[in-house]
Amino acid sequence: DTAVSQTPKYLVTQMGNDKSIKCEQNLGHDTMYWYKQDSKKFLKIMFSYNNKELIINETVPNRFSPKSPDKAHLNLHINSLELGDSAVYFCASSQDLGGPHNEQFFGPGTRLTVL
Amino acid sequence: RKEVEQDPGPFNVPEGATVAFNCTYSNSASQSFFWYRQDCRKEPKLLMSVYSSGNEDGRFTAQLNRASQYISLLIRDSKLSDSATYLCVVSRSMEYGNKLVFGAGTILRVKS
Repeated sequence: DTAVSQTPKYLVTQMGNDKSIKCEQNLGHDTMYWYKQDSKKFLKIMFSYNNKELIINETVPNRFSPKSPDKAHLNLHINSLELGDSAVYFCASSQDLGGPHNEQFFGPGTRLTVL
Repeated sequence: RKEVEQDPGPFNVPEGATVAFNCTYSNSASQSFFWYRQDCRKEPKLLMSVYSSGNEDGRFTAQLNRASQYISLLIRDSKLSDSATYLCVVSRSMEYGNKLVFGAGTILRVKS
């Protein structure tokens, strides 16, 4: 009964390729997020969606395009992959956007390696 | 300067020890504060929220000093299973909702 799931868990690909990562949450939450955790372990928000609507876009290159077909799913498509895109990508969800103590639940992460 | 700063450690402590982590944040508009725990190659999970009055959850005590923009986490009677990276997290209110900003984490290794 995984609350937030991501596929694939590992992704190894060549520079220049296009790849997608899928995320699903079964918590009934309204808000979903994508985070990137680089080799220095900083976890940085990339995007957030609330009820399928884009809310946060943190100056991420436009090679990254999130898509939310419904509020339980938030996928991340990456075009023309670069070496610097190698990182762990975490999907997360929260009940909604507001609330000062709104806990975020994270998926297991997708470890992307670009060769 | 990073918005949330933590000593990266590692803190190497024996079982049963008491260990304290500190964190400072630079944005005085930060509203809410948390400690998340991240095990090696796993996702972050909420450990506890941090309230101005200080709060305790079993062996864990969190404190917040808004004037100094400082957050702490105290772990008493450390267990081997406490070994992990502890992430200090602040929440900022934006026009569209709240945004979490993560520190880089403090590594704790508890040894027998």
